[in-house]
Amino acid sequence: DAMVIQNPRYQVTQFGKPVTLSCSQTLNHNVMYWYQQKSSQAPKLLFHYYDKDFNNEADTPDNFQSRRPNTSFCFLDIRSPGLGDAAMYLCATSSQTGGQETQYFGPGTRLLVL
Amino acid sequence: RKEVEQDPGPFNVPEGATVAFNCTYSNSASQSFFWYRQDCRKEPKLLMSVYSSGNEDGRFTAQLNRASQYISLLIRDSKLSDSATYLCVVTSIGANNLFFGTGTRLTVIP
Repeated sequence: DAMVIQNPRYQVTQFGKPVTLSCSQTLNHNVMYWYQQKSSQAPKLLFHYYDKDFNNEADTPDNFQSRRPNTSFCFLDIRSPGLGDAAMYLCATSSQTGGQETQYFGPGTRLLVL
Repeated sequence: RKEVEQDPGPFNVPEGATVAFNCTYSNSASQSFFWYRQDCRKEPKLLMSVYSSGNEDGRFTAQLNRASQYISLLIRDSKLSDSATYLCVVTSIGANNLFFGTGTRLTVIP
């Protein structure tokens, strides 16, 4: 039973064309995270929500935005994708923040920018 | 300096072999340590947490050395299904961020 669901699994967009990636969870977790992972690199945290509180990482480009309309859903909006934004985008959830909580990852959305 | 450093490998080992990975972390205030497994083009999945006293789960043993700031993962009797990338993950108390290493790639050969 899928607990963290990401749609679509593969997304192709054009340079500069806005794109939205979707994540939903059935775990009723308070915290949702978005990571970017490029080939052979570690996942990099972009931002996270604790309930409705948005927390942006200092080095996340302004091009990346997020929305969390309710507990279950969280969206990643890339306003003007560049070639360098091609990556795997991973959504994760945890019941609490604090680092000791296990994070559950979705299967990821692989973004290709043409 | 990176928060977490791992030897990227690849480690190519025969079935049945024992293999060990090390990972070093830079922040002495780090409190929680994990090993995640990531299969090709899949999401990371928690393999095991690493406790101060060390812990074992079947063929997998994790150790923490706070003095030297490294953690290790030992896999005994390697199986073909163990082929994956193993990510070392570290976090600090109160922090929201998991710091991932770039992963160590393991291939178990028949």
